[in-house]
Amino acid sequence: KAGVTQTPRYLIKTRGQQVTLSCSPISGHRSVSWYQQTPGQGLQFLFEYFSETQRNKGNFPGRFSGRQFSNSRSEMNVSTLELGDSALYLCASSTGQGDGYTFGSGTRLTVV
Amino acid sequence: GDSVTQMEGPVTLSEEAFLTINCTYTATGYPSLFWYVQYPGEGLQLLLKATKADDKGSNKGFEATYRKETTSFHLEKGSVQVSDSAVYFCALIKTGTASKLTFGTGTRLQVTL
Repeated sequence: KAGVTQTPRYLIKTRGQQVTLSCSPISGHRSVSWYQQTPGQGLQFLFEYFSETQRNKGNFPGRFSGRQFSNSRSEMNVSTLELGDSALYLCASSTGQGDGYTFGSGTRLTVV
Repeated sequence: GDSVTQMEGPVTLSEEAFLTINCTYTATGYPSLFWYVQYPGEGLQLLLKATKADDKGSNKGFEATYRKETTSFHLEKGSVQVSDSAVYFCALIKTGTASKLTFGTGTRLQVTL
């Protein structure tokens, strides 16, 4: 059974650019969540999608957005990148029933 | 709001020593509790979980018991190995919302020979 796949693994972008990260969940999982991990703030919840609908959202500016497709794959987009957006972005999938999440290996974004 | 508090790290132990990493939580209702582990350069792996009071989660020699009276979920292992060196995160999810994990700050464990 394939795990959660995140692409790309590493990304370097310049301030002001935008970036799109991709996440393919475990087959059959309809919930996809995104988290930002930084040394200073730890793991922070960005948003969760379930059956193509955003079900919950964390406290991040509107520059951070996401979507989910009918096959449950999800993308998150960050526009007008800032240096502080440098982080490991983790995607997690689940059945959506509160039974725990399986995480991908993450995308490490560096903004220069 | 919900929160999880973990002991500060790093925790440094010799191989075969006993491990305890403390975790306490604040949440309304009856959350499910989790321990995740993160190895260098990787994402999070679910280590164990417990969904109701007095449940004991266990995996790979690690154990944690859901103590509602003390709002705690301490992680223990009887004999650590060098390969257990990683960062450990305690987390909770609220039953009913089922969509957001709240994490502690993580505890780095270093095991030496």
